[in-house]
Amino acid sequence: AQKITQTQPGMFVQEKEAVTLDCTYDTSDQSYGLFWYKQPSSGEMIFLIYQGSYDEQNATEGRYSLNFQKARKSANLVISASQLGDSAMYFCAMREGPNFGNEKLTFGTGTRLTIIP
Amino acid sequence: KAGVTQTPRYLIKTRGQQVTLSCSPISGHRSVSWYQQTPGQGLQFLFEYFSETQRNKGNFPGRFSGRQFSNSRSEMNVSTLELGDSALYLCASSLRTDYYNEQFFGPGTRLTVL
Repeated sequence: AQKITQTQPGMFVQEKEAVTLDCTYDTSDQSYGLFWYKQPSSGEMIFLIYQGSYDEQNATEGRYSLNFQKARKSANLVISASQLGDSAMYFCAMREGPNFGNEKLTFGTGTRLTIIP
Repeated sequence: KAGVTQTPRYLIKTRGQQVTLSCSPISGHRSVSWYQQTPGQGLQFLFEYFSETQRNKGNFPGRFSGRQFSNSRSEMNVSTLELGDSALYLCASSLRTDYYNEQFFGPGTRLTVL
């Protein structure tokens, strides 16, 4: 079974609109972390946001927020007021187990986001 | 603060050769992880090094190996290259503590095997 599922291969969004990128995960661990990364065409993976499984509040970083629904095992990324520079591949990733013990990230297949002027 | 650096950025090799890729983590970061990215398999974890010891390993053949030096710099080696090894190889560094959770990636090395 896929540990990280991103069901949207591609999305087109009008500039200045908000966009939600879907991510569901599967783990039997109680302690885990969820990450979102952005990968522009240059190839570099840019860290966007992190949510720990025990964090009670949804993570936010500037225009990025993570809609964490633990019971549904979903960790959707919300980008507010999208900009042309947001066009890129977006990956959801999970680290299972306690923070100090495992740095392995399991990635989803990604969503290619295109912002339309 | 300088980010994660990887050298070289591009490599072209032929089947059967071997290759060594280098990764310098962010200053103070002691953990380095390596990932392979291909269009078919996506992003896959290769291995992680912390304090010069391999802490975790992905499902790759023994042709893929790595090491970490006392200054936390890491190298990855692929021997007897195959066409399927053509990929973007990314390394990531982190502090690896129980409260600091970010992993920062380098720009990657794009390897082409002919």
